[in-house]
Amino acid sequence: SAVISQKPSRDICQRGTSLTIQCQVDSQVTMMFWYRQQPGQSLTLIATANQGSEATYESGFVIDKFPISRPNLTFSTLTVSNLSPEDSSIYLCSEGLATDTQYFGPGTRLTVL
Amino acid sequence: GQQLNQSPQSMFIQEGEDVSMNCTSSSIFNTWLWYKQDPGEGPVLLIALYKAGELTSNGRLTAQFGITRKDSFLNISASIPSDVGIYFCAGPLGGTSYGKLTFGQGTILTVHP
Repeated sequence: SAVISQKPSRDICQRGTSLTIQCQVDSQVTMMFWYRQQPGQSLTLIATANQGSEATYESGFVIDKFPISRPNLTFSTLTVSNLSPEDSSIYLCSEGLATDTQYFGPGTRLTVL
Repeated sequence: GQQLNQSPQSMFIQEGEDVSMNCTSSSIFNTWLWYKQDPGEGPVLLIALYKAGELTSNGRLTAQFGITRKDSFLNISASIPSDVGIYFCAGPLGGTSYGKLTFGQGTILTVHP
């Protein structure tokens, strides 16, 4: 499995601002994904980060709120825009080398005041 | 949508005891994954199951892919304090694009020394 790192590991932000989260993989991977884990909850897929094209969003998530970049096969960013306290969550990126097996980064814990 | 129902929600056990948790779905899954999440970390893949009826072990962990492809269980034998954490089952969304996962609600495991 690839090694995945995320920056920042945690942040506290004011409502109305935005936070950009970086995800770096130590090898080239075809597919990268972004998940959200709300407090005490399970993981929910936000979108698939596609290299060289727009991200594919799951139901309930939109590009204006969660813009995603994937400039190459090892890197992706997720921005959480116009923050509100309801956006306080852990945001995780993941990658899959084959089939359905997914490996996750350590997560970014966001608190919105 | 494809929902995974995981039980129990939480377990409190004594060190040395065996643990069993399971996951069911109304939909067929082609893959079952079991993850463990420690506090402040991303989920770590424990076991991946790819064939109905498959029984796979990873140390003290054993997981099975149900014959109907609608369920899976995870057993932990002779639990130790470091087994504490949240255990999630997961399966691929939609049965098509790999890597897009749906997760169960999680089982919180507490092990008393």
